[in-house]
Amino acid sequence: DIVMTQSPDSLAVSLGERATINCKSSQSLLYRSDNKNYLAWYQQKPGQPPKLLIYWASTRQSGVPDRFTGSGSGTDFTLTISRLQAEDVAVYYCQQYHNSPPMYTLGQGTKLEIK
Amino acid sequence: QVQLVESGGGVVQPGGSLRLSCAASDFTFSHYGIHWVRQAPGKGLEWLAFIRFDGSKEFYADSVKGRFTISRDNSRNTAFLQMNSLRTEDTAIYYCAGYGGHTGAFDFWGQGTMVTVSS
Repeated sequence: DIVMTQSPDSLAVSLGERATINCKSSQSLLYRSDNKNYLAWYQQKPGQPPKLLIYWASTRQSGVPDRFTGSGSGTDFTLTISRLQAEDVAVYYCQQYHNSPPMYTLGQGTKLEIK
Repeated sequence: QVQLVESGGGVVQPGGSLRLSCAASDFTFSHYGIHWVRQAPGKGLEWLAFIRFDGSKEFYADSVKGRFTISRDNSRNTAFLQMNSLRTEDTAIYYCAGYGGHTGAFDFWGQGTMVTVSS
């Protein structure tokens, strides 16, 4: 089974500064058939369901501010939140998709707070 | 605005059963796959099951295979999760999520329904 490991488990960043969250997969998420990395990022605010931010490692979901940037390939991925705002306080999860058979694994989550 | 609304949660004794529903509105339900994902109190997210847009195939996490069954009724715009042989560790918020079919991600989510397994 593919294991997803996020780091750090929590971080505190000052308003207006940059937050960086890492996600490492135990197997490559790059599919040669379409050259896409099947890695997604979600934001979950307290008391709310998760919200899709990024898919294919770097494609922003419609309506997501461009302060959120996904990067990486293969086994190592990063979510960067630039110009941190108070509304960005949340837990962030990465998630992989494996297609044969379809299996989905999420990281343990990273809690982002304001310093 | 696409919407998924879960229902059917509640308190059940260990060994019992529960059937969750996921009602869809404001989009073409029969074009979307449906996932079920859960979150134990204070914990992270765990994917449980997926059913294709036409109900032709189902897939399960090992943790629930043989105990949980996902299904759908496209005529009623509703998906279901039948949960049998429930254990205390199944206590969680259960979310359904829609999947458009090409991103590998959970595109949009319902608000969730709480399931408590306790004697």
